[in-house]
Amino acid sequence: DGGITQSPKYLFRKEGQNVTLSCEQNLNHDAMYWYRQDPGQGLRLIYYSQIVNDFQKGDIAEGYSVSREKKESFPLTVTSAQKNPTAFYLCASSTRQENEQFFGPGTRLTVL
Amino acid sequence: GENVEQHPSTLSVQEGDSAVIKCTYSDSASNYFPWYKQELGKRPQLIIDIRSNVGEKKDQRIAVTLNKTAKHFSLHITETQPEDSAVYFCAATPKAAGNKLTFGGGTRVLVKP
Repeated sequence: DGGITQSPKYLFRKEGQNVTLSCEQNLNHDAMYWYRQDPGQGLRLIYYSQIVNDFQKGDIAEGYSVSREKKESFPLTVTSAQKNPTAFYLCASSTRQENEQFFGPGTRLTVL
Repeated sequence: GENVEQHPSTLSVQEGDSAVIKCTYSDSASNYFPWYKQELGKRPQLIIDIRSNVGEKKDQRIAVTLNKTAKHFSLHITETQPEDSAVYFCAATPKAAGNKLTFGGGTRVLVKP
C-alpha cells in the first residue's frame, strides 16, 4: 500500500482556481493513471501515461492537464475550465507487462 | 471503446448467504477482467482477476466466471461475512488498449449479521 501515495488527502478550492494533485510511486512502474470517482459511481479515466514524457487523454480529460517528467511522478492539475470538479480523485500505476493496477489512497477535492 | 455494465447497483444479503454480481462488456477483444473491492473512504484493491483463456477462477470464498460468447462475467462470494460489506467494481481491458481499464458502475454490498 505504501508504494503509491497521493497528497493532499483533502483539498478545498475556490471557483476559478487551478489546483494540482500529487501522485508518487516507488514501485518502478512505467504506467500511471488518473481516475475520477463521483458518489455512487464507478471510476472514470481522466489521463494515463505509459512512459515518461508521454500521456494520453482518457474518457473525461476536458478541464484537466497532466505531466510526466519523471517515472515516479504523475501530477494532475484541475483547471478552472473543469465545470464540476468536486470529486474523489484516484491515482494508479502498473507495469507495462501486467494488467493489475495499484491505487493510491485518493484525494478528495471540494470546490467552495 | 469498451463499455462495461454492472448489476445490481446495491445488494443486501444475510450473513452466510452467497452474493453474485454480474457484468457485461461490449468489446469482444477484451481479454482481462479484474474485480476490485473498495471499503468506505479507502482505495480500491484487487481481489481476483481472470483472463479470457480461462472460464473460471477461485480463491477461497470468491470466484469469478467468464462467458466470452455472451460477453459477461460474474463475481461469486460464498459464506458472506460482515467484512465483505463494500463496493465492488468490475473492469475490462482490450488487449489493444494496453493496460487501460474500463470500470463498471459498482455494486454496494451490505452483509447483514
